[in-house]
Amino acid sequence: KQEVTQIPAALSVPEGENLVLNCSFTDSAIYNLQWFRQDPGKGLTSLLLIQSSQREQTSGRLNASLDKSSGRSTLYIAASQPGDSATYLCAVCGGSNYKLTFGKGTLLTVNP
Amino acid sequence: NAGVTQTPKFQVLKTGQSMTLQCAQDMNHNSMYWYRQDPGMGLRLIYYSASEGTTDKGEVPNGYNVSRLNKREFSLRLESAAPSQTSVYFCASRRGWDSQTYEQYFGPGTRLTVT
Repeated sequence: KQEVTQIPAALSVPEGENLVLNCSFTDSAIYNLQWFRQDPGKGLTSLLLIQSSQREQTSGRLNASLDKSSGRSTLYIAASQPGDSATYLCAVCGGSNYKLTFGKGTLLTVNP
Repeated sequence: NAGVTQTPKFQVLKTGQSMTLQCAQDMNHNSMYWYRQDPGMGLRLIYYSASEGTTDKGEVPNGYNVSRLNKREFSLRLESAAPSQTSVYFCASRRGWDSQTYEQYFGPGTRLTVT
């Protein structure tokens, strides 16, 4: 059974700092990995999707990397802003039905 | 283009009552999903519909039923609500179920409390 772990569970940084969120998964037979953002009381917003054949994806100040063989992904946020404060979720897609398995998230707080 | 919409946003039920959560998407997606999100548990898949006319159980299907009404709509029914079903319920959709390039899009959620 696929298990997804996100470390740290919570992170507090000052504005302007570069930061890295980590995601690890136990079964490397995945099709893709998706990073989401969730604001309090809201739904999930997709940030980046990395296909299993890719090493990284970039969108603005966000860069996600994937090392499938070691079961790891990182989300790098450059020059963090208070508006980046949210919970970040990692999900891997795998299995015969292409289902998503989610981590429990990292709660990020960026202090002005 | 509204994306994925869910109704209601909030609901309070008494134990034993029934209700249906509604979900619709306007992106012409083939696959739709229902998740629940609980503190400390993350998101867990309840049921999914890979394509119109099919539904399958996910990780936590007990106490729920689903209906894929048409390509746009996928409803989740609680026949006899229990306090353990207090949760936030999210509907999601994806263009297709069997491609590694398709992202999953989520609705805003329904916050359900069962007393």
